[in-house]
Amino acid sequence: GNSVTQMEGPVTLSEEAFLTINCTYTATGYPSLFWYVQYPGEGLQLLLKATKADDKGSNKGFEATYRKETTSFHLEKGSVQVSDSAVYFCALSDRGDDKIIFGKGTRLHILP
Amino acid sequence: GAGVSQSPSNKVTEKGKDVELRCDPISGHTALYWYRQSLGQGLEFLIYFQGNSAPDKSGLPSDRFSAERTGGSVSTLTIQRTQQEDSAVYLCASSSNPGKKLFFGSGTQLSVL
Repeated sequence: GNSVTQMEGPVTLSEEAFLTINCTYTATGYPSLFWYVQYPGEGLQLLLKATKADDKGSNKGFEATYRKETTSFHLEKGSVQVSDSAVYFCALSDRGDDKIIFGKGTRLHILP
Repeated sequence: GAGVSQSPSNKVTEKGKDVELRCDPISGHTALYWYRQSLGQGLEFLIYFQGNSAPDKSGLPSDRFSAERTGGSVSTLTIQRTQQEDSAVYLCASSSNPGKKLFFGSGTQLSVL
């Protein structure tokens, strides 16, 4: 079946550091890929998405590129801020199967 | 409504009792999803609805769990004979199209004593 694997946290970085959170997936078809974010005390919200191979999703300085050859969708940001502290979830939706499944989440702490 | 609304926000119950969790999706959203969020387990898919029908119930952990949706709107997740391992945050999300962007509610924190 389909699955999403993302790096375990917590990840702790200093402000202005470069961020990568790894995400790999297994899917039988050609899925759409998502990153969702859960800020402290708030509900989950969509951060970015990509719907086909080589697409790049971007939002709020974050980027992720859909890599079919490596079945990956790693989240990156060039210079993190304290306000980026949150839990990040990678997710996929496979074509023909509208179930959306999530990874276990990666907690990110940014130190000032 | 303006967003996905879930009630109650917190529920404390005794082991063996039944509980009902309610989700009111964004008006016009045809797809509705239920997830369970436990510490260290991430988001566990439970069930999703397209309209009033549930094409995929594969995530329901046991036959103590059931869900329904009426009028293509409100959904209720029922847990019978609750157990301590049912303690978690239950999240509801809706979408204008299945498999697309999800809008999440704030969740129901369920504690089974």
